[in-house]
Amino acid sequence: GAGVSQSPSNKVTEKGKDVELRCDPISGHTALYWYRQSLGQGLEFLIYFQGNSAPDKSGLPSDRFSAERTGGSVSTLTIQRTQQEDSAVYLCASSLYGMNTEAFFGQGTRLTVV
Amino acid sequence: GNSVTQMEGPVTLSEEAFLTINCTYTATGYPSLFWYVQYPGEGLQLLLKATKADDKGSNKGFEATYRKETTSFHLEKGSVQVSDSAVYFCALSDSGGGADGLTFGKGTHLIIQP
Repeated sequence: GAGVSQSPSNKVTEKGKDVELRCDPISGHTALYWYRQSLGQGLEFLIYFQGNSAPDKSGLPSDRFSAERTGGSVSTLTIQRTQQEDSAVYLCASSLYGMNTEAFFGQGTRLTVV
Repeated sequence: GNSVTQMEGPVTLSEEAFLTINCTYTATGYPSLFWYVQYPGEGLQLLLKATKADDKGSNKGFEATYRKETTSFHLEKGSVQVSDSAVYFCALSDSGGGADGLTFGKGTHLIIQP
């Protein structure tokens, strides 16, 4: 596609349920990033993929969070046993090779845990 | 660790006023510096960047100069327009630190009144 696509755009889930958020990067982009944008917290780096491997998972806030990327393309961020503090906008970005090339952001998935 | 500090908002200005949004950073390596903009209802977009000391990034009338001696990357525009109303994020990427994600400031909400 022309840009980074994320789905769903909005997700409301009950506390304790698992959720999967999807990111389709720009075709040909090798680097993919997940961020979390919380009210009052700004943008928080979660994880970075180069191809299918994740050299930096340091930003994942707990072991309830995991992410994978298959075929060097689509990525899925999974949050298990969701908590209310997980409510945020989850942003995905991709870049051609890494941060020395421009990162393009998707519109985000707004997750609300009730 | 890396961090970015930017002025708190909202910042409210009249059309054609001069704009400065302050940004300072701490980083362990030799960071690249960025300003991103998020217009209402849209995703994050790269506004400008600078990759080494004394570089000036510019775009759409906005400028920012990478000042290593003051660890700053202040955003300026000589004459703002209503269409500049948005949230502005200062960010850095510290490739020397190994991680390739962006560290963001908390964002500054800019409101331009006609």
